Amino acid sequence: DAKTTQPPSMDCAEGRAANLPCNHSTISGNEYVYWYRQIHSQGPQYIIHGLKNNETNEMASLIITEDRKSSTLILPHATLRDTAVYYCIVRVGSFGNEKLTFGTGTRLTIIP
Amino acid sequence: DAGVTQSPTHLIKTRGQQVTLRCSPKSGHDTVSWYQQALGQGPQFIFQYYEEEERQRGNFPDRFSGHQFPNYSSELNVNALLLGDSALYLCASTQLPVGETQYFGPGTRLLVL
Repeated sequence: DAKTTQPPSMDCAEGRAANLPCNHSTISGNEYVYWYRQIHSQGPQYIIHGLKNNETNEMASLIITEDRKSSTLILPHATLRDTAVYYCIVRVGSFGNEKLTFGTGTRLTIIP
Repeated sequence: DAGVTQSPTHLIKTRGQQVTLRCSPKSGHDTVSWYQQALGQGPQFIFQYYEEEERQRGNFPDRFSGHQFPNYSSELNVNALLLGDSALYLCASTQLPVGETQYFGPGTRLLVL
C-alpha cells in the first residue's frame, strides 16, 4: 500500500471548515483513499473514502486531486466533538487486501 | 443495528500469562480483523479471519493467535505476555468479498505488569 504523509497537528476554530491535507504521491490506480478518525481512547471511526471522484456524505467531503497524489478531507462546520486524530489511509480495494495501514495521523483540535 | 462489540473493556495481566480477547462483528459482517495500538501510535494490523481461517497476517510473532467461530465472532489469544504487549486491541469487521469499509469496535485496553 502507498505511504501517506499528514501534518502532525492542526487547529481550527469552531464553526469554521476544517481542511485536513494528505499526500499520497505513490498511489496506484487501484488504490482507494480512506479517512478514519479516532477520538481519545475510542476505536477508529470511518468517515469517508474515494477512488478518483470527489465524495461527500453526512460527515465530510473528500477532495482528490486530478493526479490523485493528494487529497483533502473537509469538515464543513467543525464542532468541539470533531477534536480527534484523523488518519488518511491508502488501500488496494480488492479481495485479499483489506488490511488498513495506519500512520500517525493529524491531531485536529477545534478551538472554541 | 448492532455495531462491533469487544470484551472485556479493560484487562490487567502479569508477564508470562496468557490472555483471550473477544469480538463480535457488526450485524451482517463475516470478516474480522485485529489491530494493536500502542500509546501514541496508529493501529497496527495483526491478522484477519474469514470463513474461520486466518487470511492475512501482519508482522506479529506466533504468540499472537486467533480463532473465528461459525457465528463470525472471533478471539485473539496472546501467550507469554510481555510488557510491550500493553496496548489497546481493536477489532474491525467487514463483509467479504465485496467489503470496502471496516468498522471498528471500542477496543480492549490490556495492561501487562
